[in-house]
Amino acid sequence: EVQLVESGGGLIQPGGSLTLSCVASGFTVSGSYMNWVRQAPGKGLEWVSVIYRDDSTYYADSVEGRFTISRDSSKNTLYLQMNSLRADDTAVYYCATRKGNTWTFDYWGQGTLVTVSS
Amino acid sequence: QSALTQPASVSGSPGQSITISCTGTSSDIGTYDYVSWYQQYPGRAPKVMIYDVSNRPSGVSTRFSGSKSGNTASLTISGLQVEDEAAYYCSSYRSSNTLVVFGGGTRLTVL
Repeated sequence: EVQLVESGGGLIQPGGSLTLSCVASGFTVSGSYMNWVRQAPGKGLEWVSVIYRDDSTYYADSVEGRFTISRDSSKNTLYLQMNSLRADDTAVYYCATRKGNTWTFDYWGQGTLVTVSS
Repeated sequence: QSALTQPASVSGSPGQSITISCTGTSSDIGTYDYVSWYQQYPGRAPKVMIYDVSNRPSGVSTRFSGSKSGNTASLTISGLQVEDEAAYYCSSYRSSNTLVVFGGGTRLTVL
């Protein structure tokens, strides 16, 4: 059974840094296209980043240069390093797998809340 | 403002059919058949209901169907049920730095 469990969220001051983790089971993160998607409180979904099987990484314009996606195959874990955090980064962050060669997200974690506030 | 445009809300009675539209551009919906629809209950993670415009994942009711014409995609739910009351989001691949864009979401109320 595929399972994704995020952790690492919390309250952080503007300008601070935080690293989110997503532990996967039932499949290997190294063999999948792994994504981060976020949702601000009461708002819609926003794609954040993807890491491909060949380690290529891509980011939304809103986080380019501040966030870094990575993975540790030995721990079967996906990460999101977030720097220079701003109030508008406040959101529930979900990790999600991409289904095959489509651009749909078929498995999602339960999410972890990041609150950027002084 | 979201990249894809959806109505904020729609409503229907049990047994009726409703359609939710999702309008994009020639850089996303108009060119690529990578439109997905997600259902989300409050406090829960999204669940994919339609992928690649009109495909249903295993286990999703046949009451859910998707289509696309030009820059607009649509999700139709037939035989509305109370449990269909949720938020629905469309998404599409986009040829830009931001590879995936979402709609702002549509809240479905089953009266």
